[in-house]
Amino acid sequence: AQSVTQLDSQVPVFEEAPVELRCNYSSSVSVYLFWYVQYPNQGLQLLLKYLSGSTLVKGINGFEAEFNKSQTSFHLRKPSVHISDTAEYFCAVSPFSTSGTYKYIFGTGTRLKVLA
Amino acid sequence: EAQVTQNPRYLITVTGKKLTVTCSQNMNHEYMSWYRQDPGLGLRQIYYSMNVEVTDKGDVPEGYKVSRKEKRNFPLILESPSPNQTSLYFCASRPGQGAPGANVLTFGAGSRLTVL
Repeated sequence: AQSVTQLDSQVPVFEEAPVELRCNYSSSVSVYLFWYVQYPNQGLQLLLKYLSGSTLVKGINGFEAEFNKSQTSFHLRKPSVHISDTAEYFCAVSPFSTSGTYKYIFGTGTRLKVLA
Repeated sequence: EAQVTQNPRYLITVTGKKLTVTCSQNMNHEYMSWYRQDPGLGLRQIYYSMNVEVTDKGDVPEGYKVSRKEKRNFPLILESPSPNQTSLYFCASRPGQGAPGANVLTFGAGSRLTVL
């Protein structure tokens, strides 16, 4: 079975400061990794994904994440946040199989609050 | 515009009164899935469908039914709703394995259900 842990339920940060949102996962098989963002009263949107290749993945809105296989982590970072980045962020994994991916396991989410 | 459309967006009902939440996508996606989002629990998968007439249980299927008679539609049925099904529900879809954009879910805007 797979699991995803987002240890920080809330992260307050001042505007223009850097931020890191942590994600650790557990899986006995290879997984694809994702970060999604949910703005208030909206559905989830993909920020970035890791499927294979370079472990440093760049996404939209200046976000990036690094896949660390030995630490089973996929932390999300942004060097300088804006007020508009205030949202809830979800890390997700999808175990890979020869028949394709069909299960998506989400973390409990991290609320990023950017302060002026 | 490519999208996943859910209806209703908001619903208040009473225990035992059958209801259906509709989900429709216009992207010809093979895979569709339902999730519920609860505070502190993140998103949990209820059911998913790999294609027409092919459905399977997710992590929390109890009390729910689904059907996939057409590729574009994937309704979620609550035969006898109970208060513990009060939640925010999301429908999502993605292309079939091997297609461009496979593995990446597109979410609907969500349906907030309250069962009294």
